[in-house]
Amino acid sequence: EVQLEESGGDLVQPGGSLRLSCAASGFTVSAHYMNWVRQAPGKGLEWISLIYNDAGGGTTFYADSVKGRFTISRDTSKNTLFLQMNSLRPEDTAMYYCARTPYGGGGWGQGTLVTVSS
Amino acid sequence: DIVMTQSPDSLAVSLGERATINCKSSQSILYRSNSKNYLAWYQQKPGQPPKLLIYWASDRESGVPDRFSGSGSGTDFTLTISSLQAEDVALYYCQQYYSPPYTFGQGTKLEIK
Repeated sequence: EVQLEESGGDLVQPGGSLRLSCAASGFTVSAHYMNWVRQAPGKGLEWISLIYNDAGGGTTFYADSVKGRFTISRDTSKNTLFLQMNSLRPEDTAMYYCARTPYGGGGWGQGTLVTVSS
Repeated sequence: DIVMTQSPDSLAVSLGERATINCKSSQSILYRSNSKNYLAWYQQKPGQPPKLLIYWASDRESGVPDRFSGSGSGTDFTLTISSLQAEDVALYYCQQYYSPPYTFGQGTKLEIK
């Protein structure tokens, strides 16, 4: 069974940093295209980042809203996906989800809440 | 970037009746080499993460009731709930995964009439 569990969300001041983790089980993270998606309170879904699988060279992509501030990565030995978030802004306040690209089936975590406020 | 536009924004349907949600992409998301449309549908209930219903535009995720079906190709897609149940009240989103950024539609709120 595919399972994803995010962690690392917290209250942080504007300009601060945070590192989110997404522990996977039931599949190998490095064999799949993996994403981070966020949802601000009362708003729709916003895709923010993608990392290709090993066959795709681990190429990374970002939404314009986070480019240059966020970095997606993975640790094969821990089967875990990460999102390093720097220079956080109040508009980054959201629930952050990790998700598999739905090639032949999906998988989302329960999310972790990031609040950026002074 | 590919823009995904859903219609309507909200929809009220009687129990047992058919519900139809549309999704249009600003460019084709059909990859001709494998004849697959890179389109997914999600259901989201309050306080829950999105749940994948449909991928490749028409393939139902394991465990999803067969009253949910997806259709369409190229730029125009439809999610159909053949006989609305009370538990289907939710927000529904389409998403393209043809090319990054993997954009979502704005969402459609489905309610009981």
